[in-house]
Amino acid sequence: GQQLNQSPQSMFIQEGEDVSMNCTSSSIFNTWLWYKQEPGEGPVLLIALYKAGELTSNGRLTAQFGITRKDSFLNISASIPSDVGIYFCAGAIQGAQKLVFGQGTRLTINP
Amino acid sequence: DAGITQSPRHKVTETGTPVTLRCHQTENHRYMYWYRQDPGHGLRLIHYSYGVKDTDKGEVSDGYSVSRSKTEDFLLTLESATSSQTSVYFCAISELAGRNEQFFGPGTRLTVL
Repeated sequence: GQQLNQSPQSMFIQEGEDVSMNCTSSSIFNTWLWYKQEPGEGPVLLIALYKAGELTSNGRLTAQFGITRKDSFLNISASIPSDVGIYFCAGAIQGAQKLVFGQGTRLTINP
Repeated sequence: DAGITQSPRHKVTETGTPVTLRCHQTENHRYMYWYRQDPGHGLRLIHYSYGVKDTDKGEVSDGYSVSRSKTEDFLLTLESATSSQTSVYFCAISELAGRNEQFFGPGTRLTVL
């Protein structure tokens, strides 16, 4: 089946630093989504991307839909303690109503 | 927040017993999904529904069945629970065909002893 490779698997950063993570696929996707999950809760949608090359921001978060349609990137600027959590990418192929998820990036922030 | 509830939130059961998890939505969304989440595997799709009585398998459907008799309810059943089905189960909903945004419930933690 389709797989998404998400990296890095974990990050340990200082408060105030910028964060970058990415997701790659062997398949072409027409949708990329980014979610955040905190302990004991379900994933929460952060950003949705529907067009190759699209760059979308949500506050300090910026995500991009790769030109090749096989990758996506998420950046967090000036990290704060509440950014701690696991970030998941998810993709869907043309016409599919199903998502494929990456394995997640666990973000830890040292104050 | 999307109006999605899952019940129970926690359950401990024994191998071989049947278990049913319930997902309830108040959004009248067409699509509903069941995922399981395990360390190192992210979220994996078990089954999904694209309407009342319309369901299909996901990538890890063996040992699970689903039913959807009403728009608002999607049930996941483990006919005979096994220890490998110990996991956190999430329900998700989606409305617009072609727009793949899914909204998740709070999850059910299931332990099979």
